[in-house]
Amino acid sequence: QVQLVQSGTEVKKPGASVKVSCKASGYIFTNYYMHWVRQAPGQGLEWMGLINPSGGGTSYAQKFQGRVTMSRDTSTRTVYMEMSSLRSEDTAVYYCVKDRWEGVAVSGTLGYWGQGTLVTVSS
Amino acid sequence: DIVMTQSPDSLAVSLGERATINCKSSQSVLYSSNNKNYLAWYQYKPGQPPKLLIYWASTRESGVPDRFSGSGSGTDFTLTISSLQAGDVAVYYCQQYYSTPYTFGQGTNLEIK
Repeated sequence: QVQLVQSGTEVKKPGASVKVSCKASGYIFTNYYMHWVRQAPGQGLEWMGLINPSGGGTSYAQKFQGRVTMSRDTSTRTVYMEMSSLRSEDTAVYYCVKDRWEGVAVSGTLGYWGQGTLVTVSS
Repeated sequence: DIVMTQSPDSLAVSLGERATINCKSSQSVLYSSNNKNYLAWYQYKPGQPPKLLIYWASTRESGVPDRFSGSGSGTDFTLTISSLQAGDVAVYYCQQYYSTPYTFGQGTNLEIK
Protein backbone atom coordinates (compact mmCIF):
# COMPACT_ATOMS: atom_id res chain seq x y z
CA GLN A 1 0.00 0.00 0.00
CA VAL A 2 1.05 3.60 -0.54
CA GLN A 3 3.07 5.11 2.29
CA LEU A 4 4.55 8.57 2.60
CA VAL A 5 6.69 8.82 5.71
CA GLN A 6 7.84 12.30 6.62
CA SER A 7 10.66 13.42 8.86
CA GLY A 8 10.07 14.55 12.41
CA THR A 9 9.23 17.78 14.14
CA GLU A 10 11.61 20.69 13.65
CA VAL A 11 12.19 23.77 15.78
CA LYS A 12 14.09 26.57 14.08
CA LYS A 13 15.08 30.13 14.82
CA PRO A 14 14.04 32.97 12.54
CA GLY A 15 16.38 33.28 9.59
CA ALA A 16 17.34 29.61 9.65
CA SER A 17 16.57 26.95 7.06
CA VAL A 18 14.71 23.68 7.33
CA LYS A 19 14.67 20.59 5.14
CA VAL A 20 11.74 18.19 5.38
CA SER A 21 11.91 14.74 3.83
CA CYS A 22 9.19 12.44 2.55
CA LYS A 23 10.00 8.80 1.82
CA ALA A 24 7.62 7.05 -0.53
CA SER A 25 6.80 3.36 -0.89
CA GLY A 26 4.10 1.15 -2.31
CA TYR A 27 3.98 2.61 -5.81
CA ILE A 28 6.21 3.53 -8.74
CA PHE A 29 7.94 6.62 -7.32
CA THR A 30 8.80 8.25 -10.64
CA ASN A 31 5.30 7.96 -12.07
CA TYR A 32 3.52 10.41 -9.77
CA TYR A 33 4.10 14.09 -9.15
CA MET A 34 4.56 15.08 -5.53
CA HIS A 35 3.15 18.25 -4.01
CA TRP A 36 3.84 20.13 -0.80
CA VAL A 37 0.99 21.72 1.14
CA ARG A 38 1.12 23.46 4.49
CA GLN A 39 -1.30 24.48 7.20
CA ALA A 40 -0.40 27.19 9.66
CA PRO A 41 -2.14 27.21 13.07
CA GLY A 42 -5.73 28.35 12.72
CA GLN A 43 -5.31 28.78 8.97
CA GLY A 44 -6.41 26.86 5.91
CA LEU A 45 -4.48 24.69 3.50
CA GLU A 46 -1.88 26.31 1.26
CA TRP A 47 -0.32 24.71 -1.81
CA MET A 48 3.39 25.42 -2.01
CA GLY A 49 4.55 23.69 -5.15
CA LEU A 50 5.32 20.39 -6.80
CA ILE A 51 8.11 18.24 -8.11
CA ASN A 52 8.25 15.68 -10.87
CA PRO A 53 10.18 12.79 -9.28
CA SER A 54 11.06 11.48 -12.71
CA GLY A 55 12.93 14.44 -14.17
CA GLY A 56 13.21 16.63 -11.08
CA GLY A 57 11.30 19.54 -12.62
CA THR A 58 9.60 21.83 -10.15
CA SER A 59 6.88 24.45 -10.02
CA TYR A 60 6.47 26.74 -7.03
CA ALA A 61 3.72 29.07 -5.92
CA GLN A 62 4.94 32.61 -6.49
CA LYS A 63 4.71 33.28 -2.77
CA PHE A 64 7.49 30.76 -2.14
CA GLN A 65 9.69 31.44 -5.18
CA GLY A 66 13.27 32.01 -4.14
CA ARG A 67 12.75 30.66 -0.63
CA VAL A 68 11.69 27.06 -1.26
CA THR A 69 13.57 24.31 -3.05
CA MET A 70 12.03 20.93 -3.78
CA SER A 71 14.27 18.05 -4.74
CA ARG A 72 14.24 14.30 -4.96
CA ASP A 73 16.51 11.28 -4.66
CA THR A 74 15.25 8.46 -6.83
CA SER A 75 17.66 5.96 -5.28
CA THR A 76 15.96 6.33 -1.90
CA ARG A 77 12.50 7.25 -3.23
CA THR A 78 12.57 10.42 -1.19
CA VAL A 79 11.46 13.96 -1.92
CA TYR A 80 12.63 16.98 0.02
CA MET A 81 11.30 20.45 0.71
CA GLU A 82 13.82 23.01 1.91
CA MET A 83 12.76 26.46 3.05
CA SER A 84 15.20 29.23 3.88
CA SER A 85 14.97 32.56 5.71
CA LEU A 86 12.34 31.16 8.04
CA ARG A 87 10.04 33.54 9.87
CA SER A 88 7.40 33.00 12.53
CA GLU A 89 4.66 32.94 9.90
CA ASP A 90 6.22 29.75 8.49
CA THR A 91 5.24 27.86 11.61
CA ALA A 92 2.97 25.17 10.18
CA VAL A 93 2.41 21.51 9.50
CA TYR A 94 3.97 20.63 6.15
CA TYR A 95 2.56 17.77 4.09
CA CYS A 96 3.93 15.93 1.10
CA VAL A 97 1.10 14.77 -1.12
CA LYS A 98 1.14 12.28 -3.96
CA ASP A 99 -0.77 13.31 -7.07
CA ARG A 100 -3.88 11.23 -7.68
CA TRP A 101 -3.03 10.40 -11.26
CA GLU A 102 -0.14 8.54 -12.81
CA GLY A 103 1.33 10.03 -15.91
CA VAL A 104 3.40 12.62 -17.65
CA ALA A 105 1.21 15.55 -16.72
CA VAL A 106 0.40 16.80 -13.27
CA SER A 107 -3.27 16.83 -12.36
CA GLY A 108 -3.27 18.77 -9.10
CA THR A 109 -5.64 16.30 -7.50
CA LEU A 110 -4.06 15.63 -4.11
CA GLY A 111 -4.56 11.92 -3.78
CA TYR A 112 -2.55 10.69 -0.82
CA TRP A 113 -1.08 12.73 2.04
CA GLY A 114 1.89 12.11 4.27
CA GLN A 115 1.40 12.32 8.03
CA GLY A 116 2.71 15.86 8.20
CA THR A 117 5.78 17.51 9.74
CA LEU A 118 5.43 20.28 12.27
CA VAL A 119 7.91 23.08 11.76
CA THR A 120 8.01 25.67 14.52
CA VAL A 121 9.88 28.93 13.98
CA SER A 122 10.55 30.74 17.21
CA SER A 123 13.30 32.79 18.79
CA ASP B 1 -4.84 33.36 -8.55
CA ILE B 2 -8.25 31.74 -8.36
CA VAL B 3 -9.95 32.57 -5.07
CA MET B 4 -12.11 29.85 -3.52
CA THR B 5 -14.82 30.89 -1.07
CA GLN B 6 -16.73 28.39 1.01
CA SER B 7 -19.98 28.85 2.90
CA PRO B 8 -20.78 28.54 5.66
CA ASP B 9 -17.61 28.76 7.76
CA SER B 10 -19.16 26.38 10.27
CA LEU B 11 -22.15 24.12 10.28
CA ALA B 12 -23.93 22.07 12.94
CA VAL B 13 -26.17 19.25 11.73
CA SER B 14 -28.05 16.54 13.61
CA LEU B 15 -27.05 12.92 13.16
CA GLY B 16 -28.85 11.41 10.18
CA GLU B 17 -29.61 14.79 8.68
CA ARG B 18 -28.24 16.32 5.49
CA ALA B 19 -25.21 18.60 5.49
CA THR B 20 -24.53 20.95 2.59
CA ILE B 21 -21.34 22.91 2.01
CA ASN B 22 -20.95 25.41 -0.80
CA CYS B 23 -17.85 26.48 -2.68
CA LYS B 24 -17.52 29.31 -5.17
CA SER B 25 -14.54 30.04 -7.40
CA SER B 26 -13.57 33.51 -8.61
CA GLN B 27 -13.39 32.20 -12.17
CA SER B 28 -14.66 29.12 -13.93
CA VAL B 29 -12.76 25.89 -13.30
CA LEU B 30 -14.52 24.10 -16.15
CA TYR B 31 -12.09 23.07 -18.86
CA SER B 32 -14.00 23.35 -22.14
CA SER B 33 -11.76 20.91 -24.02
CA ASN B 34 -12.79 17.95 -21.85
CA ASN B 35 -15.88 19.34 -20.09
CA LYS B 36 -14.39 18.57 -16.67
CA ASN B 37 -14.55 20.75 -13.60
CA TYR B 38 -11.16 20.89 -11.90
CA LEU B 39 -12.58 20.90 -8.39
CA ALA B 40 -11.89 18.56 -5.46
CA TRP B 41 -13.16 18.16 -1.91
CA TYR B 42 -11.11 17.04 1.10
CA GLN B 43 -11.97 15.93 4.61
CA TYR B 44 -9.60 16.99 7.39
CA LYS B 45 -10.00 15.40 10.79
CA PRO B 46 -7.95 16.47 13.84
CA GLY B 47 -4.71 14.55 14.12
CA GLN B 48 -4.97 13.08 10.65
CA PRO B 49 -3.83 14.25 7.23
CA PRO B 50 -6.50 15.45 4.82
CA LYS B 51 -8.28 12.85 2.73
CA LEU B 52 -9.46 13.20 -0.85
CA LEU B 53 -13.23 12.68 -1.06
CA ILE B 54 -14.33 13.97 -4.45
CA TYR B 55 -12.56 14.97 -7.66
CA TRP B 56 -13.79 16.29 -11.02
CA ALA B 57 -16.43 17.99 -8.83
CA SER B 58 -18.60 14.88 -8.58
CA THR B 59 -16.50 11.69 -8.74
CA ARG B 60 -16.14 9.93 -5.41
CA GLU B 61 -12.70 8.64 -4.54
CA SER B 62 -12.46 4.89 -4.07
CA GLY B 63 -13.65 3.84 -0.62
CA VAL B 64 -15.57 7.02 0.11
CA PRO B 65 -19.10 6.27 1.33
CA ASP B 66 -21.87 7.09 -1.11
CA ARG B 67 -23.50 9.43 1.40
CA PHE B 68 -20.88 11.93 0.17
CA SER B 69 -21.70 13.56 -3.15
CA GLY B 70 -20.44 16.52 -5.11
CA SER B 71 -22.24 18.66 -7.63
CA GLY B 72 -21.96 21.90 -9.53
CA SER B 73 -20.16 23.31 -12.53
CA GLY B 74 -18.28 26.40 -13.63
CA THR B 75 -17.94 28.51 -10.50
CA ASP B 76 -20.48 27.06 -8.04
CA PHE B 77 -20.11 23.73 -6.30
CA THR B 78 -21.68 21.80 -3.45
CA LEU B 79 -20.60 18.97 -1.19
CA THR B 80 -23.53 17.08 0.31
CA ILE B 81 -23.47 14.51 3.08
CA SER B 82 -26.86 12.86 2.82
CA SER B 83 -27.08 11.39 6.32
CA LEU B 84 -24.55 12.71 8.79
CA GLN B 85 -22.61 10.18 10.83
CA ALA B 86 -20.57 10.92 13.94
CA GLY B 87 -17.36 10.09 12.08
CA ASP B 88 -18.04 12.84 9.55
CA VAL B 89 -17.12 15.57 12.04
CA ALA B 90 -14.23 17.35 10.31
CA VAL B 91 -13.20 20.44 8.42
CA TYR B 92 -14.03 20.22 4.73
CA TYR B 93 -12.07 22.03 2.03
CA CYS B 94 -12.70 22.59 -1.64
CA GLN B 95 -9.72 23.01 -3.96
CA GLN B 96 -9.34 24.07 -7.57
CA TYR B 97 -6.70 22.40 -9.70
CA TYR B 98 -7.57 24.26 -12.89
CA SER B 99 -4.45 26.39 -12.67
CA THR B 100 -1.46 26.91 -10.43
CA PRO B 101 -1.19 27.97 -7.74
CA TYR B 102 -3.77 25.42 -6.72
CA THR B 103 -5.96 27.09 -4.15
CA PHE B 104 -8.27 26.01 -1.37
CA GLY B 105 -11.36 27.42 0.22
CA GLN B 106 -11.01 28.62 3.79
CA GLY B 107 -12.65 25.44 5.13
CA THR B 108 -16.01 24.58 6.67
CA ASN B 109 -16.08 23.18 10.18
CA LEU B 110 -18.79 20.52 10.39
CA GLU B 111 -20.09 19.58 13.83
CA ILE B 112 -22.89 17.53 15.32
CA LYS B 113 -25.89 19.49 16.59
